[in-house]
Amino acid sequence: DVKVTQSSRYLVKRTGEKVFLECVQDMDHENMFWYRQDPGLGLRLIYFSYDVKMKEKGDIPEGYSVSREKKERFSLILESASTNQTSMYLCASSSQVGEAFFGQGTRLTVV
Amino acid sequence: ILNVEQSPQSLHVQEGDSTNFTCSFPSSNFYALHWYRWETAKSPEALFVMTLNGDEKKKGRISATLNTKEGYSYLYIKGSQPEDSATYLCAWGTGSARQLTFGSGTQLTVLP
Repeated sequence: DVKVTQSSRYLVKRTGEKVFLECVQDMDHENMFWYRQDPGLGLRLIYFSYDVKMKEKGDIPEGYSVSREKKERFSLILESASTNQTSMYLCASSSQVGEAFFGQGTRLTVV
Repeated sequence: ILNVEQSPQSLHVQEGDSTNFTCSFPSSNFYALHWYRWETAKSPEALFVMTLNGDEKKKGRISATLNTKEGYSYLYIKGSQPEDSATYLCAWGTGSARQLTFGSGTQLTVLP
């Protein structure tokens, strides 16, 4: 059974904290993605990576960074959390031509 | 940002009705078009991945068509059931980038 696992289902952080969201996949996929989902806006791409140590900005990278030191792990970093980063965060992975497999999501609240 | 648009935004149908939704995307630099179903409290799951103009895919009561020249795809559900209630997302994959750009989804509610 294929799997994309996100480290937390729910997180509450304070404004200004540095926040790490971790994602691990066990399918040996080249591509990994971080999206955020907000009501009425669908899934918006923050960053993606197509290889170890490679990263590309998506549509809304401001306030975020990412790290991919190993093929199976893709981390999203909020350098200094702000209330407008309260959202549902979804990680996904895919092969070069295939469908995306999603994690269960992390609902982050910044207070 | 190149837009992927879905319509309608939401839809309520009666059990047994057939329904369809639209996904429109830029016709240039096309690589693939994906459809996903996203049920409440679950992760999105892929329904179809289509790559060729004129592709038609079918899974049970759900089918999809693709027109890459004009930049649209239709998703059809025949004889809707309450368990079909979900948000249906399409995603456009480009040849020059490896990213998938998602539409905002169509939220379907099937009333018993």
